Amino acid sequence: SQTIHQWPATLVQPVGSPLSLECTVEGTSNPNLYWYRQAAGRGLQLLFYSVGIGQISSEVPQNLSASRPQDRQFILSSKKLLLSDSGFYLCAWTTTGDTGYTFGSGTRLTVV
Amino acid sequence: RKEVEQDPGPFNVPEGATVAFNCTYSNSASQSFFWYRQDCRKEPKLLMSVYSSGNEDGRFTAQLNRASQYISLLIRDSKLSDSATYLCVVNRRGGADGLTFGKGTHLIIQP
Repeated sequence: SQTIHQWPATLVQPVGSPLSLECTVEGTSNPNLYWYRQAAGRGLQLLFYSVGIGQISSEVPQNLSASRPQDRQFILSSKKLLLSDSGFYLCAWTTTGDTGYTFGSGTRLTVV
Repeated sequence: RKEVEQDPGPFNVPEGATVAFNCTYSNSASQSFFWYRQDCRKEPKLLMSVYSSGNEDGRFTAQLNRASQYISLLIRDSKLSDSATYLCVVNRRGGADGLTFGKGTHLIIQP
């Protein structure tokens, strides 16, 4: 069966520090991968998506970046965090656009 | 107009009652529709897909009206465990570029 792993679960980082969040998927090949962010009191916002290794599409301008070094690995990074980067970061995957997406358990990031 | 609009609630409903949520979407080219459930501080989980013909899964019934760009979710015989936020979700362009989420409707089932 397919599983998605995300870590860490919780993170507190100072402003200006770097960030690296990792997401891996098991039990499937060539998934579409997504990074979403849910800020307090707001809906989920799509940040990046990838349909294959090295292919990244960005949805909103920000100081975040994403990379897909392997088929089932998706990484979200920042060189310098801002206070506004605080939120609940969720990785998701699907094999087609017609089925629902499966989310990882998320990383709750607090920038202080 | 927001892409996906939902009444945020909260809906306070007694246990055993029937409750209905509605959602409207703006992109007429949307191809796929879903209801997700999100518990407090947890990831969203797929509750059910929504088909043009309407579909039912136990106590849950979802319906889609493409002409009106309207999606509904009906929960019958509500349980305390149904308390959660229900997210209306639309595939933006029928492709791989992600889902658009409503902000959710908060449901509280009261004993």
